[in-house]
Amino acid sequence: GNSVTQMEGPVTLSEEAFLTINCTYTATGYPSLFWYVQYPGEGLQLLLKATKADDKGSNKGFEATYRKETTSFHLEKGSVQVSDSAVYFCALVPYGGSQGNLIFGKGTKLSVKP
Amino acid sequence: NAGVTQTPKFQVLKTGQSMTLQCAQDMNHNSMYWYRQDPGMGLRLIYYSASEGTTDKGEVPNGYNVSRLNKREFSLRLESAAPSQTSVYFCASSEGWGSYEQYFGPGTRLTVT
Repeated sequence: GNSVTQMEGPVTLSEEAFLTINCTYTATGYPSLFWYVQYPGEGLQLLLKATKADDKGSNKGFEATYRKETTSFHLEKGSVQVSDSAVYFCALVPYGGSQGNLIFGKGTKLSVKP
Repeated sequence: NAGVTQTPKFQVLKTGQSMTLQCAQDMNHNSMYWYRQDPGMGLRLIYYSASEGTTDKGEVPNGYNVSRLNKREFSLRLESAAPSQTSVYFCASSEGWGSYEQYFGPGTRLTVT
């Protein structure tokens, strides 16, 4: 079946540190891949997405590259800020028209200290 | 544009009580979804409506029912609440069915005692 595995948290970093949150997936064909962010007390917001192999999604200094050969979509940011503290979810939509719902990883909580 | 709105924000129920969670979107989206979020579990799909007039079960539909009242509104009903339904519930919508961005509401925190 389709699934998403992301690194366990919590992750604690100092401001301006480099961030990587690992995400791997299991799916047939070419799923679309997403990173969502959830700030405390809020709903989820789309951070970035990629819809085909080798695509790079980017937004607000975050980047992730769709790697078909390693079935991965790791999230990176070169210099984190305190305001990046949130829970990050990797997700996929399976390829094909029979499913359109997001399949989520369990989330990784990031805390950035000043 | 309010986006996706949900009511109520918080609710406490006793076991066996019923309630309906309301969701509305003003983006003219075709597809709508209900998820639940539990610690360490991520979000899991309860029900979805790919288009107005259709609804389908997701991963965890037991104990819930839904109604797509019109294109804007998609409600979730708990007929007889159980402690296992204590969770945060999110409604979402998207332009269409497939690889479209989903927009989430702020959530309803439900506690069943």
